[in-house]
Amino acid sequence: AQSVTQPDIHITVSEGASLELRCNYSYGATPYLFWYVQSPGQGLQLLLKYFSGDTLVQGIKGFEAEFKRSQSSFNLRKPSVHWSDAAEYFCAVGDKRGADGLTFGKGTHLIIQP
Amino acid sequence: SQTIHQWPATLVQPVGSPLSLECTVEGTSNPNLYWYRQAAGRGLQLLFYSVGIGQISSEVPQNLSASRPQDRQFILSSKKLLLSDSGFYLCAWSVRYGYTFGSGTRLTVV
Repeated sequence: AQSVTQPDIHITVSEGASLELRCNYSYGATPYLFWYVQSPGQGLQLLLKYFSGDTLVQGIKGFEAEFKRSQSSFNLRKPSVHWSDAAEYFCAVGDKRGADGLTFGKGTHLIIQP
Repeated sequence: SQTIHQWPATLVQPVGSPLSLECTVEGTSNPNLYWYRQAAGRGLQLLFYSVGIGQISSEVPQNLSASRPQDRQFILSSKKLLLSDSGFYLCAWSVRYGYTFGSGTRLTVV
């Protein structure tokens, strides 16, 4: 069965510092990987996704993620965080057809210190 | 453009009462539709998905049911709510490789 692990429940970063959120997945076939962001009380916004090709994926709001098949990882990075980046971040894995839905990690709560 | 509508935004219901949450999609045809639940500290759990009218797959046995009476309408229901049904419910759709989520419904069962 597929699964996603986000080992960090909370992360605190100073504004302007770099950020890396970890994501490890378990999936039997070629994974389709996603990162979503959720502000309090809101739905999910897609940051970026990986299907194939270049393993370094660029997303919105200055985020990027790198797919490493050997490590079963898809870590999210940002070189310099802003206070508005404070939110909950979810990593997810799905299949090519997209019919069966996504499997999500439990999320990482990002706190930005001034 | 493609949009997804989900309502109501918040709902407070007594234990034992029925539930109906509605989700509609615009700007696309024959989407795959999904209901997720987000409980505190537990991430998102896929409850139901549908690949077509009248086709419902359940991921987790529970007190809830789903229906798809029209191509772009997905309804989440319960005959009698339990306290454990409280949570944040998200509808989503996908066509091929993209998933789009609604703004969610905060359900509190009291």
